Amino acid sequence: GQQLNQSPQSMFIQEGEDVSMNCTSSSIFNTWLWYKQDPGEGPVLLIALYKAGELTSNGRLTAQFGITRKDSFLNISASIPSDVGIYFCAGQPPGSARQLTFGSGTQLTVLP
Amino acid sequence: GAGVSQSPSNKVTEKGKDVELRCDPISGHTALYWYRQSLGQGLEFLIYFQGNSAPDKSGLPSDRFSAERTGGSVSTLTIQRTQQEDSAVYLCASSDSNQPQHFGDGTRLSIL
Repeated sequence: GQQLNQSPQSMFIQEGEDVSMNCTSSSIFNTWLWYKQDPGEGPVLLIALYKAGELTSNGRLTAQFGITRKDSFLNISASIPSDVGIYFCAGQPPGSARQLTFGSGTQLTVLP
Repeated sequence: GAGVSQSPSNKVTEKGKDVELRCDPISGHTALYWYRQSLGQGLEFLIYFQGNSAPDKSGLPSDRFSAERTGGSVSTLTIQRTQQEDSAVYLCASSDSNQPQHFGDGTRLSIL
């Protein structure tokens, strides 16, 4: 089956710093999604990417759909304490299958 | 509420018992998905319902797992003869057409 490699597994940063995390795949995806999950809650959609090369921003978050369709990155600028959580990338393959393949997550800790 | 609703939020049961987990999708969403999240891991696809089509059961780990979706709305995931390795958070998501999936807060299942 398809595998998503997400890195880094965890990050400790100072408040105000910028953060970058990425996902790579062994096969292509038609859609890349980035979710954030807080403890005890379900993942919440941050950004959706539908086109190779697409660069999309949502406030302090910026994500890109890699031109090869096998990778994506998420940047968070000027981190704040509420950015703490687990960030997941997810990809949707070509064809009729609708289920998402998820990365293993990046645990982000923001230090004051 | 406006979001995906799952119940119960927590379930503790003895090994060998059957459990039923419920998902109320967002009203009007035609697609419904079940995922499993083990501790510290990403989400693992289980099953997908789309309208009146036959469900995609390709992610179910064994024949002890089954799911139904009645009337194109509420879904129930059933695990028979539970095992300790079934302990996880079970997440439900729904989506409309080709839109991104929106998740509930999950059911945390613990098998003693």
